[in-house]
Amino acid sequence: DSGVTQTPKHLITATGQRVTLRCSPRSGDLSVYWYQQSLDQGLQFLIQYYNGEERAKGNILERFSAQQFPDLHSELNLSSLELGDSALYFCASSVREGGTGELFFGEGSRLTVL
Amino acid sequence: AQKITQTQPGMFVQEKEAVTLDCTYDTSDPSYGLFWYKQPSSGEMIFLIYQGSYDQQNATEGRYSLNFQKARKSANLVISASQLGDSAMYFCAMREQNTGNQFYFGTGTSLTVIP
Repeated sequence: DSGVTQTPKHLITATGQRVTLRCSPRSGDLSVYWYQQSLDQGLQFLIQYYNGEERAKGNILERFSAQQFPDLHSELNLSSLELGDSALYFCASSVREGGTGELFFGEGSRLTVL
Repeated sequence: AQKITQTQPGMFVQEKEAVTLDCTYDTSDPSYGLFWYKQPSSGEMIFLIYQGSYDQQNATEGRYSLNFQKARKSANLVISASQLGDSAMYFCAMREQNTGNQFYFGTGTSLTVIP
């Protein structure tokens, strides 16, 4: 158990809909990362927050948005969903914004868009 | 240029044998960390082993060891005495000190352990 909690674990929805994925980082971790892993794809970095502030942005679509709340949990909002958005979405956390420490991953939220 | 390169899309190993999964990296930052993660078919990402750029010795964690060749920018994962449960995707990753908010992943290697 990494200590990172993601909900829901599985989600099935229709095209055009909107969903919210939730992540609670490990206790004490201030930095949260979101990654997308599509079928047979590697991990695509979406966005990073540190202590409530956006710090880095990767290949995140405009239809997607995220935020980190004062209690440090984070939410990834996916709207106007398309079939291609079906993927495993990971949240990961680390203690610091920088440094060379490891990332701790949640178990992922598997999104299926029909 | 790719920050992390894993050139083996798929590997097979006989049970109880050792296997090496290749990883090369590209960085000009003198301080960085190298990581290996395992992703079984259930999907979760499991941290396996870490090597710091200033570590003098190769990292080991049980049956996992990291063959760190700094001059060659190579960080291969060695799994000894393979078990059926080792069948999974394996990802090499790097984090740089100066851009520590970036965590770079390779494309992964699918390992299959044959009984």
